[in-house]
Amino acid sequence: AQSVTQLDSQVPVFEEAPVELRCNYSSSVSVYLFWYVQYPNQGLQLLLKYLSGSTLVESINGFEAEFNKSQTSFHLRKPSVHISDTAEYFCAVITNFGNEKLTFGTGTRLTIIP
Amino acid sequence: NAGVTQTPKFQVLKTGQSMTLQCAQDMNHNSMYWYRQDPGMGLRLIYYSASEGTTDKGEVPNGYNVSRLNKREFSLRLESAAPSQTSVYFCASIADRTMNYGYTFGSGTRLTVV
Repeated sequence: AQSVTQLDSQVPVFEEAPVELRCNYSSSVSVYLFWYVQYPNQGLQLLLKYLSGSTLVESINGFEAEFNKSQTSFHLRKPSVHISDTAEYFCAVITNFGNEKLTFGTGTRLTIIP
Repeated sequence: NAGVTQTPKFQVLKTGQSMTLQCAQDMNHNSMYWYRQDPGMGLRLIYYSASEGTTDKGEVPNGYNVSRLNKREFSLRLESAAPSQTSVYFCASIADRTMNYGYTFGSGTRLTVV
């Protein structure tokens, strides 16, 4: 069975500083990887995804993540964060391509300090 | 507006009461899912429906039942609510792999069982 580990439950970062949110997965088969963002009192929105091709994927608001198969990681990075990035971030994986079930990590709460 | 609609947004139940959470999508997606979100635990899959007429258990199905009424609607029923079912519930639907796994979430139902 697959699993997703987000080691950091909370990450405080000063505004305009860089940030990395870590995600590791375990699976014996090929995976599709996702990052979702949840702003306060809202549902989840897809931030970016890796399905195939280039291992570096980017979002429209400056986040990027790199799929590293040898380290089974899919860390999320942003070179300079803004107050508006305050949210909870979830890493997720699909491995069973018959029913496309998403398995989520426990989430990382990103707090931006002015 | 295209998307996933959940009702109600908030609900308070007494222990032992029953209720049904409604979910509808208008994107012609085949697969639909119910997740619950609890602090520090991420999102956990309760039930899913890979296609109209089929339903399967997820990670935490005990205490819940589901109905895939038609392609659009997927309801979650609590027959006898317990305080442990206090949570935020999210419905989601997904386009299939031919549409690059476009997973869409509803805005959630916040349920409190007292």
